[in-house]
Amino acid sequence: DQQVKQNSPSLSVQEGRISILNCDYTNSMFDYFLWYKKYPAEGPTFLISISSIKDKNEDGRFTVFLNKSAKHLSLHIVPSQPGDSAVYFCAAKVGGGSQGNLIFGKGTKLSVKP
Amino acid sequence: DAMVIQNPRYQVTQFGKPVTLSCSQTLNHNVMYWYQQKSSQAPKLLFHYYDKDFNNEADTPDNFQSRRPNTSFCFLDIRSPGLGDAAMYLCATSLGRGNQPQHFGDGTRLSIL
Repeated sequence: DQQVKQNSPSLSVQEGRISILNCDYTNSMFDYFLWYKKYPAEGPTFLISISSIKDKNEDGRFTVFLNKSAKHLSLHIVPSQPGDSAVYFCAAKVGGGSQGNLIFGKGTKLSVKP
Repeated sequence: DAMVIQNPRYQVTQFGKPVTLSCSQTLNHNVMYWYQQKSSQAPKLLFHYYDKDFNNEADTPDNFQSRRPNTSFCFLDIRSPGLGDAAMYLCATSLGRGNQPQHFGDGTRLSIL
């Protein structure tokens, strides 16, 4: 039973346009959400996070939006660049402590075309 | 640069032959994690160490063990690898277990012959 779902396995976007990656979750106890980016043959790299007390967090070209009532979060990349082409993983956790382990989605492969 | 290093990057072993994967970190983080990731799947947590305190996930097979001799190093031992254990193994670290991001190594790709 997947608690974190990324329903789009892939997304293709033109350079300069906005990329929107989506993530849904089922556990209402999740209170911290993260996005990771992964290039082939490399480990996931932390990108941006958001606490459940916020609905938006922005870092340069990357913005994460959280809609708690819909149990949905999204990552916006504006403008998209070819170097953004990678697999993006959404992850969530319940608080701290040993119970607060990260639960990952299966990832969305983003391709940004020049 | 502070980082998480996994060795080797690629490991081939025979069915049933014990294998050890290595992870070291220069971040001085007190938590170290081991994940298994199969193709097109989400990374799955196997276990983690909070300092010397070992925390095993309920569904991690007994075939998988771990050792953390000091803050910097953590090992994943697979006692009798089966064909189903072929996967990417990712090590990660974090500063505490609160709302802190985990920092990953580049992984070890394990193949079973």
